[in-house]
Amino acid sequence: AQSVAQPEDQVNVAEGNPLTVKCTYSVSGNPYLFWYVQYPNRGLQFLLKYITGDNLVKGSYGFEAEFNKSQTSFHLKKPSALVSDSALYFCAVRDSPSGSARQLTFGSGTQLTVLP
Amino acid sequence: NAGVTQTPKFQVLKTGQSMTLQCAQDMNHNSMYWYRQDPGMGLRLIYYSASEGTTDKGEVPNGYNVSRLNKREFSLRLESAAPSQTSVYFCASSGDRDTEAFFGQGTRLTVV
Repeated sequence: AQSVAQPEDQVNVAEGNPLTVKCTYSVSGNPYLFWYVQYPNRGLQFLLKYITGDNLVKGSYGFEAEFNKSQTSFHLKKPSALVSDSALYFCAVRDSPSGSARQLTFGSGTQLTVLP
Repeated sequence: NAGVTQTPKFQVLKTGQSMTLQCAQDMNHNSMYWYRQDPGMGLRLIYYSASEGTTDKGEVPNGYNVSRLNKREFSLRLESAAPSQTSVYFCASSGDRDTEAFFGQGTRLTVV
């Protein structure tokens, strides 16, 4: 069974500082990895994904994520945080199914607060 | 381009009542999903449908039924609502396995 772990429920960072939101995963085959952001009372918005290729993936709003196969991690990063980045962030994984089953498994979420 | 549309946005039910949450997508996606989101627990998959005419149980299917009416629509039914089903429900859809999922705005359901 596939799973995703986000070890930090809450991350606080000062505006202008770099931020990292951690994610580790477990799948039986090749992972398809995603980051989503959720603002209050809204649905989830896609930020970026890793499918194959370069381990450093760049996405929306200046975010990037680094895929590390040996550590089974996919940490979300941003060089300089903004107050408007404050939101709930979810890491997700899809497996490489042999049949028709296609599931997207989410982590428990990390609340990012950027302090002015 | 509407994307994924969920109705209703808010609902209050009494214990034992039934209701159906509607979801429609206009992106010609094969896969559709229903999730529930509870504080501190992230999103948990209730049911999913890999293609029209097929549905499969997710992590927390008990107390729910689904119907993939056609390629566009995927509904979630609560036959006899319980307070434990108070949650925010999200519908999502996706294309082939390496594309991102698109989410609706959510339905906030309270069962009293």
